[in-house]
Amino acid sequence: AQRVTQPEKLLSVFKGAPVELKCNYSYSGSPELFWYVQYSRQRLQLLLRHISRESIKGFTADLNKGETSFHLKKPFAQEEDSAMYYCALVGGSARQLTFGSGTQLTVLP
Amino acid sequence: DGGITQSPKYLFRKEGQNVTLSCEQNLNHDAMYWYRQDPGQGLRLIYYSQIVNDFQKGDIAEGYSVSREKKESFPLTVTSAQKNPTAFYLCASSTIVKGSNYGYTFGSGTRLTVV
Repeated sequence: AQRVTQPEKLLSVFKGAPVELKCNYSYSGSPELFWYVQYSRQRLQLLLRHISRESIKGFTADLNKGETSFHLKKPFAQEEDSAMYYCALVGGSARQLTFGSGTQLTVLP
Repeated sequence: DGGITQSPKYLFRKEGQNVTLSCEQNLNHDAMYWYRQDPGQGLRLIYYSQIVNDFQKGDIAEGYSVSREKKESFPLTVTSAQKNPTAFYLCASSTIVKGSNYGYTFGSGTRLTVV
């Protein structure tokens, strides 16, 4: 069975500080991992995916198969980064997403 | 304007009633999904469908039913058997082809409240 764990429900950092949102997964095959973000009163949207190795809005995430982790990082947090972040893993014949429980990030001025 | 539309935005249900949540997409996506979002629990998969006239149960299908008569539409019925239906419901669609463009598109959600 596939599982995604986000150990922090709430995370607060000051503007300009580095931020890291933790994500660990369990999956028997080769995982495809994503980070989704939900800003207040907006739709859930894709932030980044591990296969494209991209940086979006200054965020990066590296897949570490040895530690089964996919932590999201940003060196200098901005107030507009305040949102709910979900780590997700895709698997199964219909490629359904399994989500973690989410981390609410608050960036303080 | 391509996208996925959920309606209504807010829905109130009396105890013992069935209600149906609408989800329509014009993205030509093969797969569609229903998730339930509860505070502190993330998103949990209710049902999903890869093709027309076929669907499978997700992790929390009890008390729900779906149909997929058209590629564009995937309505969710919350039946009276669902013990705790008050939640935020999200519909999503995607292609099921592995590749760099893979990703889900989510609707704006329906908030269901039992009164």
